[in-house]
Amino acid sequence: DAGVIQSPRHEVTEMGQEVTLRCKPISGHDYLFWYRQTMMRGLELLIYFNNNVPIDDSGMPEDRFSAKMPNASFSTLKIQPSEPRDSAVYFCASSLDRVTEAFFGQGTRLTVV
Amino acid sequence: GESVGLHLPTLSVQEGDNSIINCAYSNSASDYFIWYKQESGKGPQFIIDIRSNMDKRQGQRVTVLLNKTVKHLSLQIAATQPGDSAVYFCAENPMDAGNMLTFGGGTRLMVKP
Repeated sequence: DAGVIQSPRHEVTEMGQEVTLRCKPISGHDYLFWYRQTMMRGLELLIYFNNNVPIDDSGMPEDRFSAKMPNASFSTLKIQPSEPRDSAVYFCASSLDRVTEAFFGQGTRLTVV
Repeated sequence: GESVGLHLPTLSVQEGDNSIINCAYSNSASDYFIWYKQESGKGPQFIIDIRSNMDKRQGQRVTVLLNKTVKHLSLQIAATQPGDSAVYFCAENPMDAGNMLTFGGGTRLMVKP
């Protein structure tokens, strides 16, 4: 398996634009997580899914953020409209079950100017 | 992934020495703990895990110690190598928080040749 695959690796967008980040989890993993990493706040869990169903989205900062998982092999994190303070590295991770390690993708570095 | 935390604790060790990275966790209900390594420009990478029914677990050159009494976790790296230079995160998975893996702030390990 190629691991967790995220796209794009880098995204630069203007304030107010819509941004969509994509993730393909490891096949067979039932859990998918979206994290955000910044210098000030470290790694923050935004939302996670179990069997494609969102379980906890309490980490999603605002209504501008939304995440979907239409099937077991694909998830998106959307920011609309984007703001400069959304600039961060966004990681997607997946795990087999609750009490096993999560495998992380390479991340998407988002810059909103 | 970018560096996390303007004030990341930093441990500087000489190549060949042993390293000990410490982590205090907050939730006494946590039953699973993981150490991750994050190199510059990459996502966190799993190193070793430990469940709450254990107090020590060994891997290749790494050992994790868990002291539930004081809610303390440590990662020991034997014969530290330049390739070990990275930011190390501990993560806890509280039983009462579903599957929300919560990360600590990280420690930067710098290995001097």
